[in-house]
Amino acid sequence: KNQVEQSPQSLIILEGKNCTLQCNYTVSPFSNLRWYKQDTGRGPVSLTIMTFSENTKSNGRYTATLDADTKQSSLHITASQLSDSASYICVVVLSGTYKYIFGTGTRLKVLA
Amino acid sequence: DTAVSQTPKYLVTQMGNDKSIKCEQNLGHDTMYWYKQDSKKFLKIMFSYNNKELIINETVPNRFSPKSPDKAHLNLHINSLELGDSAVYFCASSQTRGAGELFFGEGSRLTVL
Repeated sequence: KNQVEQSPQSLIILEGKNCTLQCNYTVSPFSNLRWYKQDTGRGPVSLTIMTFSENTKSNGRYTATLDADTKQSSLHITASQLSDSASYICVVVLSGTYKYIFGTGTRLKVLA
Repeated sequence: DTAVSQTPKYLVTQMGNDKSIKCEQNLGHDTMYWYKQDSKKFLKIMFSYNNKELIINETVPNRFSPKSPDKAHLNLHINSLELGDSAVYFCASSQTRGAGELFFGEGSRLTVL
């Protein structure tokens, strides 16, 4: 069964600290993996897209990693800011289809 | 200009009514989607259209009927609304060629009383 699982479910950190969010997937055949940020009351916005051959990709303070062998990805946030408070969703795309398999998300809260 | 726009943003209605949510994208994409986000914030695909043709239809009740008059529009009509239909509905679009980046609208919050 094609599934995307994320951990932790929720996370609270202090402003300025780093954090890492995890994503494990069982999707096959794999096309690419994306991380989205969803602010409260808004639609998800793409942070990174990684294909099978990419191990890491950065977008400002966000760095995503991908291990296609173990089917794991992580999103590392450096020097967190209050505006990083949001849900972070891992999405895996099935190769040759229009299907995006969504994870359940990690809710991050950054406190001052 | 908003890339993917949906209206209305909020919709409050009584059980049994019929309502529609409209979606338009100005990105020139050929594929559009409707997603439902429940109270646990899980996004679930409902429908997908490619060039006005239905390509994904998940196990959604027949009360939900999507309509795509052209590839820039995908509307969602819901008949005989039930309490369980209360959720946030997101429209999205992508271009199947290339990276296929998924762009979302701001969501339409439907509350059925």
